[in-house]
Amino acid sequence: QVQLVESGGGLVKPGGSLRVSCAASGFTLRDYYMNWVRQAPGKGLEWVSYISSSGTIYYSDSVKGRFTISRDNAKNSLYLQMSSLRAEDTAVYYCARERVGIVGYYYYYMDVWGKGTTVTVSS
Amino acid sequence: SSELTQDPAVSVALGQTVRITCQGDSLRNYYASWYQQKPGQAPVVVIYGKNNRPSGIPDRFSGSSSGNTASLTITGAQAEDDADYYCNSRDSGTNHVVFGGGTKLTVL
Repeated sequence: QVQLVESGGGLVKPGGSLRVSCAASGFTLRDYYMNWVRQAPGKGLEWVSYISSSGTIYYSDSVKGRFTISRDNAKNSLYLQMSSLRAEDTAVYYCARERVGIVGYYYYYMDVWGKGTTVTVSS
Repeated sequence: SSELTQDPAVSVALGQTVRITCQGDSLRNYYASWYQQKPGQAPVVVIYGKNNRPSGIPDRFSGSSSGNTASLTITGAQAEDDADYYCNSRDSGTNHVVFGGGTKLTVL
């Protein structure tokens, strides 16, 4: 069964660090684009970062320089190391598998999502 | 950076047809994908590509695109379609992923 399970969320003080994890099952994580998407309380979806199957990495402007995405192929897991955390980083963090295709135009879509892990940044 | 703009809220009478739109320059180069999210749950993709539905998504959901606008149409809306809907694409300049702000659909 194809599944993503996030873990590692919790309460952290401003300026602190936290690492959240995403364990994949039923597929090989390194063969896909993998994303972190977050959702602040009562707000919309916000893309955070992705790592492509070839290892190319991108970050949103709001987290660049503070967050690091990585994967462990042996553990079939994805990680997001977060540092210099701010109150505005408080959110549910989802990992999501992304597919890509082309029919005239390119299209991308996230077909598998985890249930999310909650990160709260507060003193 | 590229942005995707959605109406914050839309309502539809039970059994009627509703269109949710998403506008942005990136949609001239990429198809949008559409996600349904219910309270306390992770998003679920309902439309991707030109007009593709994943297995298990009812055929009342359809997608279309013209110029810089993508649309999600629900033909014969059901009570269970009451949810938030997000569009998603790529920014061709930065390769960043972009999401629309979301549309809260109320089925009356």
